[in-house]
Amino acid sequence: KAGVTQTPRYLIKTRGQQVTLSCSPISGHRSVSWYQQTPGQGLQFLFEYFSETQRNKGNFPGRFSGRQFSNSRSEMNVSTLELGDSALYLCASSRDGISGNTIYFGEGSWLTVV
Amino acid sequence: TQLLEQSPQFLSIQEGENLTVYCNSSSVFSSLQWYRQEPGEGPVLLVTVVTGGEVKKLKRLTFQFGDARKDSSLHITAAQPGDTGLYLCAGAVSGNTGKLIFGQGTTLQVKP
Repeated sequence: KAGVTQTPRYLIKTRGQQVTLSCSPISGHRSVSWYQQTPGQGLQFLFEYFSETQRNKGNFPGRFSGRQFSNSRSEMNVSTLELGDSALYLCASSRDGISGNTIYFGEGSWLTVV
Repeated sequence: TQLLEQSPQFLSIQEGENLTVYCNSSSVFSSLQWYRQEPGEGPVLLVTVVTGGEVKKLKRLTFQFGDARKDSSLHITAAQPGDTGLYLCAGAVSGNTGKLIFGQGTTLQVKP
């Protein structure tokens, strides 16, 4: 079956701009989580969406937001970009959460803020 | 705040050697997962341990979950160059959500 698809794979943005990243989960999966990975902080949880509702949220500023559509595809948006937002953004999907389910990660979107 | 301390951060060994990676926390997790990540790719799940004291084996890899479900270890026997990569432990927060708390990761290099 098709895996988790993230687009775009690479992008460069300027400070102050905003960016939208997209994630298409595995067919039949309703839970989509987003993580930020940096060399200094490792992988940090951003938020999780399930059936179009945000079910859990990490400790990131309000500049980071997301949404999920009725087909379970998800987008995350970062507004007013800062240099520190440069990171690999990973999307993970599962059938309905962690319990008893395998979490599948996409290859990520590499964001560079200059 | 739930944290996972993973050690060592870096490990460079010769082919054929054994190694152990540790993951420790003061918090209890409902389950703990181990991932391997290759450069430019997302993490790939290796195993999930759920029960305190549980031991799972995956070929040359042995995973253990502590009795109190606060710590875990990954032991690799007779490491091979193909084992090179970033190994991550991740604890699942209680409740059926998609939130994982990740350790900092262990970068393993196995030299032929």
